[in-house]
Amino acid sequence: DAGVTQSPTHLIKTRGQQVTLRCSPKSGHDTVSWYQQALGQGPQFIFQYYEEEERQRGNFPDRFSGHQFPNYSSELNVNALLLGDSALYLCASSLGQGALAQYFGPGTRLTVL
Amino acid sequence: GIQVEQSPPDLILQEGANSTLRCNFSDSVNNLQWFHQNPWGQLINLFYIPSGTKQNGRLSATTVATERYSLLYISSSQTTDSGVYFCAVLTGANNLFFGTGTRLTVIP
Repeated sequence: DAGVTQSPTHLIKTRGQQVTLRCSPKSGHDTVSWYQQALGQGPQFIFQYYEEEERQRGNFPDRFSGHQFPNYSSELNVNALLLGDSALYLCASSLGQGALAQYFGPGTRLTVL
Repeated sequence: GIQVEQSPPDLILQEGANSTLRCNFSDSVNNLQWFHQNPWGQLINLFYIPSGTKQNGRLSATTVATERYSLLYISSSQTTDSGVYFCAVLTGANNLFFGTGTRLTVIP
């Protein structure tokens, strides 16, 4: 039973660049949520994808966008990177949009110089 | 918005000791999860426990939804239990809202 996978593991970018992070959900799951975790803080919700549409969004600017593919995998795109975007980006998957358990991937650590 | 507070913020234990971590939340919730974040950043599911009590080996959790708190018990702690423990509640907007975390250090 494959768990949630994310790629790449680490990434270094410079200010102003764009980045794409990828996530494959746990087998059998159809909903993907993205979270940003700054150093020393808890994860913060970015957005959630279900049936290839963004369903919910947290308090993040439009520079953060995403996509979900027919196989339920997802991408997170961040444009015009800022130093403050440096963080661990976590992907979580779940079944449906209900109040069910979410399972997290290992994360992508993004450093913006 | 919803508030989720965890206590204590930091905890140092001798190996073999027991501990209780607390999570208080300000609104009624449909879902509460406990996670352990290891030193590499991986969030590991411990419990999905919107109400009641569950046990898994040396760990157990109790959520009293009517009083808006949850407790995580760790018995006979091991050095591998070190890390940050988060509780997270599912908000009405269908996303997890994380608490402030408890950093646990177990020393041999």
